[in-house]
Amino acid sequence: KAGVTQTPRYLIKTRGQQVTLSCSPISGHRSVSWYQQTPGQGLQFLFEYFSETQRNKGNFPGRFSGRQFSNSRSEMNVSTLELGDSALYLCASSFGGGETGELFFGEGSRLTVL
Amino acid sequence: KNEVEQSPQNLTAQEGEFITINCSYSVGISALHWLQQHPGGGIVSLFMLSSGKKKHGRLIATINIQEKHSSLHITASHPRDSAVYICAVPINYQLIWGAGTKLIIKP
Repeated sequence: KAGVTQTPRYLIKTRGQQVTLSCSPISGHRSVSWYQQTPGQGLQFLFEYFSETQRNKGNFPGRFSGRQFSNSRSEMNVSTLELGDSALYLCASSFGGGETGELFFGEGSRLTVL
Repeated sequence: KNEVEQSPQNLTAQEGEFITINCSYSVGISALHWLQQHPGGGIVSLFMLSSGKKKHGRLIATINIQEKHSSLHITASHPRDSAVYICAVPINYQLIWGAGTKLIIKP
């Protein structure tokens, strides 16, 4: 069974640019959640999608957005990048969400903003 | 006060020692997750608990719902167990994370 795939693994952008990150969950999983990890703030919740519906959103500015497709793959987009957006972005896949099942994480996308 | 508190923050032990990491939470939950993060960033799920005790190899996790407390134990610790261990509780489709315990096992 293939694991959770995040692309790209590493990327470097400059301030003001925008970036799109992708997460392909485990086959059959309908829940995808996104987290930002920085040394100063630790792990912070961005959003969670289930069957193309956003069920919750973390406390991030509107520059951070996401979506989920009918095949459960999810993307997140960050527009007008700032230096502080440099982080490891992790996605987690589960059948119905963390309340009901085990979570499977991708390796993350490490974003550096210069 | 954080909703999920972990202790200790850092733990260094000798190979073979019995390790205990504690997690306390202040909210009502349906489940609790123990996760492991190695340098480089990847996170691996160790356990999902809603009651009682689970065991997988040298790892044991327990939870006391009434006391809102969970523990992760590692028996016969080994240098490859060195990692950050995180407890997290799912609330409203998001994970509320503990700060993590950085564990170093010396040979």
